[in-house]
Amino acid sequence: GIQVEQSPPDLILQEGANSTLRCNFSDSVNNLQWFHQNPWGQLINLFYIPSGTKQNGRLSATTVATERYSLLYISSSQTTDSGVYFCAAISNFGNEKLTFGTGTRLTIIP
Amino acid sequence: DTEVTQTPKHLVMGMTNKKSLKCEQHMGHRAMYWYKQKAKKPPELMFVYSYEKLSINESVPSRFSPECPNSSLLNLHLHALQPEDSALYLCASSQTAGRGLATSYEQYFGPGTRLTVT
Repeated sequence: GIQVEQSPPDLILQEGANSTLRCNFSDSVNNLQWFHQNPWGQLINLFYIPSGTKQNGRLSATTVATERYSLLYISSSQTTDSGVYFCAAISNFGNEKLTFGTGTRLTIIP
Repeated sequence: DTEVTQTPKHLVMGMTNKKSLKCEQHMGHRAMYWYKQKAKKPPELMFVYSYEKLSINESVPSRFSPECPNSSLLNLHLHALQPEDSALYLCASSQTAGRGLATSYEQYFGPGTRLTVT
C-alpha cells in the first residue's frame, strides 16, 4: 500500500514564528488531507488538497502531485496551533483506505 | 454543517462486557468509517461502509463488529475485548468512498470515543 512520511517528527517554536511541515507519499493520490489533532483527540480538517495550492488565514498548503509531496505552512504561530499535524492520503491505485503519516508534533512556546 | 457526532465520549469496560459505540452524521454522506488510534500513533482504518454495505474490513478481530443501520448511523459493537484494545476510536464520513482512479472525497472525523478495557 501507499507509504506516507512526515517531517520533522517534532518542532518547537517561539510564538510568532513561521513553520513548514512536509509530507512525502509513495504513490499517485486522489485524496490528500491535512489535519490538526488537538489535545482532546479531535481531528480538525485543515485542507483537502490532492494537488495545487490553498490558503486559509495563517495556514496554506501546496501539493506537488507529480513529485509526490505536500507542504503545510503555518505563519505567525500562536499557542493554539500546538498539537499534532497529520497528513493522510488515498492512492489512485488502491481502495478507499486513507493512510496517515506518523505526524509532526508542534509545540508553540509563548 | 460538517459535523460527525460520537457517543459516548469515554467508556470503561471489563473484558467480559458487551458495549457499543455510536456515530451519527447528517451531511448526507454515503460512506462511513471506523478508525482506531493508539497513544502517540496515527489513526488506522478498521472498517469502511459504502452505501450501508461493508466494503473494507482491515483484518479486524471478530470481537469488533460493525453495523450500519442506515446511511446516517454507524455502530461498533464490542465484545470480549482485551486491554490492548484500549484506544481512541474515531468515526468519519465522506460523500462517497472513492475507488481506484475515481475521485476520493474529503473525510470528516468525529471527536472520538476514548475506550479503556480493564
